[in-house]
Parts: sequence; C-alpha cells; structure tokens
Amino acid sequence: EAGVTQSPTHLIKTRGQQATLRCSPISGHTSVYWYQQALGLGLQFLLWYDEGEERNRGNFPPRFSGRQFPNYSSELNVNALELEDSALYLCASSFSEKMGRINEKLFFGSGTQLSVL
Amino acid sequence: DQQVKQNSPSLSVQEGRISILNCDYTNSMFDYFLWYKKYPAEGPTFLISISSIKDKNEDGRFTVFLNKSAKHLSLHIVPSQPGDSAVYFCAASFHYGGSQGNLIFGKGTKLSVKP
Repeated sequence: EAGVTQSPTHLIKTRGQQATLRCSPISGHTSVYWYQQALGLGLQFLLWYDEGEERNRGNFPPRFSGRQFPNYSSELNVNALELEDSALYLCASSFSEKMGRINEKLFFGSGTQLSVL
Repeated sequence: DQQVKQNSPSLSVQEGRISILNCDYTNSMFDYFLWYKKYPAEGPTFLISISSIKDKNEDGRFTVFLNKSAKHLSLHIVPSQPGDSAVYFCAASFHYGGSQGNLIFGKGTKLSVKP
C-alpha cells in the first residue's frame, strides 16, 4: 500500500513568487493535514481538509491557502512568498473522524523542502 | 504560547540503557497524546499514544507515562538501540467540544544512541 506522497521534494522560489505543493493521501483516507516545520521549530499546524472542505486552519496568514480535490488529494498554495516561509512542509492523512475512527494517528509524507531566496 | 513543550533539544544514551524523553503541556483540555519518531529526510511516523483516561501504555520496548496532575508525559525506551536514533516529537490533541482536527506538536528531542 502506497504511503502519503508529496511533490515536489524540493522547491526553490524567490520572494514574492507563488509556490504550489501537492499531496496524495493514503488510499481510503479522506482527511489531509498540512504542517510547516521551520528550522529549529516543531511542526506548526497549517490546514485540515476533510471530504473536500476546509475544517480548520492554524495561525497563518491568508496567503497560505489550499484545497482538496474529489479524489482527496490536496494542494497547498503559498502566495507572495517571504524569506521566512522557507521550511519543510509536511502533509499527513488519516481516516475521517466521521467514520468513527480516531484520526489523531496521522500518516505523514516525506515533505516538500521549500527554499525562498 | 507553546502548549506542548519538549525542553531537552537533545539526549545521548548508551546502547542497552534506558532512554527517557520528556514532554510538558499547558492545556488541561488535551485528552490524547502521541509520540512520533522522525528520521532525516523522512516524515514523522507514529510510535505510541495514550488517552488521558490512562496513565501508562506499553508497546514492546516503548512505554508512555502520563501524569495529568503535573501535565507531564514521558516516553521510555528500554533497551535503547542505535536504530532508535531519531528526533522524537510529542503531540497532543483534544476532542472536547468537537475535534479541532489537528495535533499540537512539541519542538522535538533528538535522541542519539551510542553503540
């Protein structure tokens, strides 16, 4: 069974540009989460999508946005990139809580390393 | 305001000895706690969890202890092996009033197990 896949592995952008990161969840998982791990910091929650809808977002500015597609894959967009956006962006998936399963056990991808120059 | 704190950025242990990783939290509403392990260039992987109704959960060499009154949990690895060398993240969540859908992570502790 394939795990959570993220693309690209590395992404280099300059300030002011836009970045698009992609994530495919484990088959059967309908919830997708995005986390940012900046250097020296823990994983900071960005966004949670479930069944195609945004369920919750972390304390990040609106230029961080995303969506979830009908096949449950997801995209994270970061507009007007700033130097401090340089970080590892991790996507995770889980079963939907509506299915009565505990969704805290997240399955993570290997991440996209975004570098903003 | 950091709700989940791992105050030791690193820990070095001899192979065969016990590794104890600590985690403190501030929000008494947290009701589920997890530990994740992360190797370089890989995503975090789930290791072990504990519900707030328990004070101990064991899985092979890994045991998590929860002290709700102290808002403290710890992960014990016995015996430690070189393959356990990784960054360990403590995470917490709460369902009271409906799930927020996200885990709150600490900054991690880098464990090095020396042969």
